[in-house]
Amino acid sequence: NAGVTQTPKFRVLKTGQSMTLLCAQDMNHEYMYWYRQDPGMGLRLIHYSVGEGTTAKGEVPDGYNVSRLKKQNFLLGLESAAPSQTSVYFCASREGSLADYNEQFFGPGTRLTVL
Amino acid sequence: AQSVTQPDIHITVSEGASLELRCNYSYGATPYLFWYVQSPGQGLQLLLKYFSGDTLVQGIKGFEAEFKRSQSSFNLRKPSVHWSDAAEYFCAVDLWAGGYNKLIFGAGTRLAVHP
Repeated sequence: NAGVTQTPKFRVLKTGQSMTLLCAQDMNHEYMYWYRQDPGMGLRLIHYSVGEGTTAKGEVPDGYNVSRLKKQNFLLGLESAAPSQTSVYFCASREGSLADYNEQFFGPGTRLTVL
Repeated sequence: AQSVTQPDIHITVSEGASLELRCNYSYGATPYLFWYVQSPGQGLQLLLKYFSGDTLVQGIKGFEAEFKRSQSSFNLRKPSVHWSDAAEYFCAVDLWAGGYNKLIFGAGTRLAVHP
């Protein structure tokens, strides 16, 4: 049981390049999330998904797109990277029950640098 | 607006000393409260959580936290710190954002432990 995994672990991009970050979870969770972590700001929600085929915007969605074609995968795309997107990106997942709260499980993170 | 404040950016303690990390939140209803720990280069690990009931909650690694509604606080404590506790600690509030559960994180407290 690997939990939440993220690919790649590190990446350096030039301004204007595109890339996709992959998040995978093997816990059959309904909800998945993408966060970015910047010094002194904690984690901020970029996009989230409440189930396969659904996505929605979080707090800081500009410049990012996401897709959830399979329940276990949640992809984060940067179409035209900017230096302001230099950050550490975390994926998280949790069970989808609304009756009982379930904690979010986090991946190990992807460190992205945009030059 | 909902927010989480961790007043201490950095804290240094000696090994064996007691520890208290402060967390204050701003939220109208009774929140779901969490403490996460992040070791260097790692993802976030849940230390403990409060949903309801007993206001003193026990977590992993010997940590505990106390919810004080009157002070809007959820401070994390440990009676005797170990060198392996050096990490960054995040307090978070979970709230229902009209469509999804939203975790709001504090900016974090970085803990250093002197031998």
